Amino acid sequence: DQQVKQNSPSLSVQEGRISILNCDYTNSMFDYFLWYKKYPAEGPTFLISISSIKDKNEDGRFTVFLNKSAKHLSLHIVPSQPGDSAVYFCAATTTDSWGKLQFGAGTQVVVTP
Amino acid sequence: DTEVTQTPKHLVMGMTNKKSLKCEQHMGHRAMYWYKQKAKKPPELMFVYSYEKLSINESVPSRFSPECPNSSLLNLHLHALQPEDSALYLCASSQKGSGTYEQYFGPGTRLTVT
Repeated sequence: DQQVKQNSPSLSVQEGRISILNCDYTNSMFDYFLWYKKYPAEGPTFLISISSIKDKNEDGRFTVFLNKSAKHLSLHIVPSQPGDSAVYFCAATTTDSWGKLQFGAGTQVVVTP
Repeated sequence: DTEVTQTPKHLVMGMTNKKSLKCEQHMGHRAMYWYKQKAKKPPELMFVYSYEKLSINESVPSRFSPECPNSSLLNLHLHALQPEDSALYLCASSQKGSGTYEQYFGPGTRLTVT
């Protein structure tokens, strides 16, 4: 039962342009959402998070948008840089779940020169 | 400091061996986690420790045995593993009661069972 879905397995974007990654969820009890970035053979690195009481959170080049009615969130990276090439995972949790994160399948981002 | 360390980085073991994976954090986090990740898949939760007590066991086979000796350390004891247990094993930690739920991951142990 995949409660968090990333329907785009890959994304190619030119350096300097915007990368938009999408994530959908089915469980309306989720109230906290996170994005992680992962390089091969390394652990995931936390990027940015958002609580369900907000609809936007920004940190430098990274902005996460949450649309609760559509059960959809997106990550915007502006401007994209070659070092952003990695797999990006969306994750969701309920704040009373002992920290159990539900991960999406991931989106491979490739930033080209 | 948001560092979680894991040892060893790589481990090759036979199906009759006993080995242990180790994880350490010094961020004062009171929740620690073990995940398993197969290639091109998301991390799968195995165990959650909260305040050194096992809170969640995601129906993991008994050949995996977690241990939390203190608030900074987390071990995963391995015994009689199968080749399909080969994967990247990730440790993570997070604060409790802070209103944030970010988990910080270690670099992982690449396990190969022969």
